[in-house]
Amino acid sequence: QVKLLQSGAALVKPGDSVKMSCKASGYTFTDYIIHWVKQSHGKSLEWIGYINPYSGGTNYNEKFKSKATLTVDKSSSTAYMEFSRLTSEDSAIYYCAREGYGFAYWGQGTLVTVSS
Amino acid sequence: DIVLTQAPLSVSVTPGESASISCRSSKSLLSSKGITSLYWYLQRPGKSPQLLIYQMSNLASGVPDRFSSSGSETDFTLKISKVETEDVGVYYCGHRLEYPLTFGSGTKLEIK
Repeated sequence: QVKLLQSGAALVKPGDSVKMSCKASGYTFTDYIIHWVKQSHGKSLEWIGYINPYSGGTNYNEKFKSKATLTVDKSSSTAYMEFSRLTSEDSAIYYCAREGYGFAYWGQGTLVTVSS
Repeated sequence: DIVLTQAPLSVSVTPGESASISCRSSKSLLSSKGITSLYWYLQRPGKSPQLLIYQMSNLASGVPDRFSSSGSETDFTLKISKVETEDVGVYYCGHRLEYPLTFGSGTKLEIK
């Protein structure tokens, strides 16, 4: 079955960067686009961007263009998102989600807390 | 960006009764391919969102047929018939018409 396993929670300092992972299994990794979504505490969902694991092509929400960098490692079927120059506004849960008539599969989320 | 406005903010339902949630789009979600690009998700407490409905009216795999969705190009309704306790959570509409993808602000369903 399709699974997306995300890396664990991270506590980072303001100004630092964080890189989180999303390891896919149960399907051919290069066949489906991976999206990343932000959910601030108690808030709605914000689309950050997507990466095509086959081509490496990306598309970012303008709001996150200077903040997020999406990459993949095809050899390990893992997608990565690096978030840079972190502020308290970046404290949130970050989800990876796989295409399939909408976001058909979601990871369990990575909680990022930005605090000095 | 397309704005999706959900109503109500929250709804309290007695088990066995029905509930309806509205989602209004600032732009037609009918694509050039004739597909209405509206999706519904449920986020149960402490869990990741899960897909309920795709392309406005199609039930996602494993979703009970108590859930249904309909609408026009800009106005959509998710209906849950015979609400059960497992239906508790926040319901979000979302679109895939164009980038950036956006979501509604969510409707919280509680059990009376």
